[in-house]
Amino acid sequence: AQSVTQLGSHVSVSEGALVLLRCNYSSSVPPYLFWYVQYPNQGLQLLLKYTTGATLVKGINGFEAEFKKSETSFHLTKPSAHMSDAAEYFCAVSDSGTGGFKTIFGAGTRLFVKA
Amino acid sequence: KAGVTQTPRYLIKTRGQQVTLSCSPISGHRSVSWYQQTPGQGLQFLFEYFSETQRNKGNFPGRFSGRQFSNSRSEMNVSTLELGDSALYLCASGYAGPTETQYFGPGTRLLVL
Repeated sequence: AQSVTQLGSHVSVSEGALVLLRCNYSSSVPPYLFWYVQYPNQGLQLLLKYTTGATLVKGINGFEAEFKKSETSFHLTKPSAHMSDAAEYFCAVSDSGTGGFKTIFGAGTRLFVKA
Repeated sequence: KAGVTQTPRYLIKTRGQQVTLSCSPISGHRSVSWYQQTPGQGLQFLFEYFSETQRNKGNFPGRFSGRQFSNSRSEMNVSTLELGDSALYLCASGYAGPTETQYFGPGTRLLVL
């Protein structure tokens, strides 16, 4: 069964500091991996996704993630945090079984950015 | 292109009642998925529809059901509401499969009293 583990329910960084949000997954091959962001009282917005090909994936707002098969990880990074990055971030894996698909989300990591 | 719309945005019901939530996907999208988001359980997959057929479903009781119409609009229904059904219900649409980006609506916040 697919599963996603996000390490740290809360992460706090200073403005300008590196953002690192951790995600480990369990999946059949190939894994389809996603990072979504959720701002208060809003739905989820895709940051980036990995399907096949290059293992370093660049997304919107300066975020990127690296797929590491040997570590079953898909950590999200941003070199310099901005106040507007404060939100909840969800790692997800998509399962293509039985003709349809479903997406399994991690528990989420809330990012706080200090001025 | 208009985004995914969900109606109503907020809803208050009492235990035992039933509720129907509506989702209009982005034009051209044929896949619609529903999720329940709660502080305790996080985001949980309810079901996915494609061309009016339910292709996949999560681990929810039979009180939760859904359907999709020929124009891809989808509804989900919860019968005999329980306090634990209080949640944000999110709908997402996409073109077809697991590699595709899902576009989420703003959600319907349901409060069961």
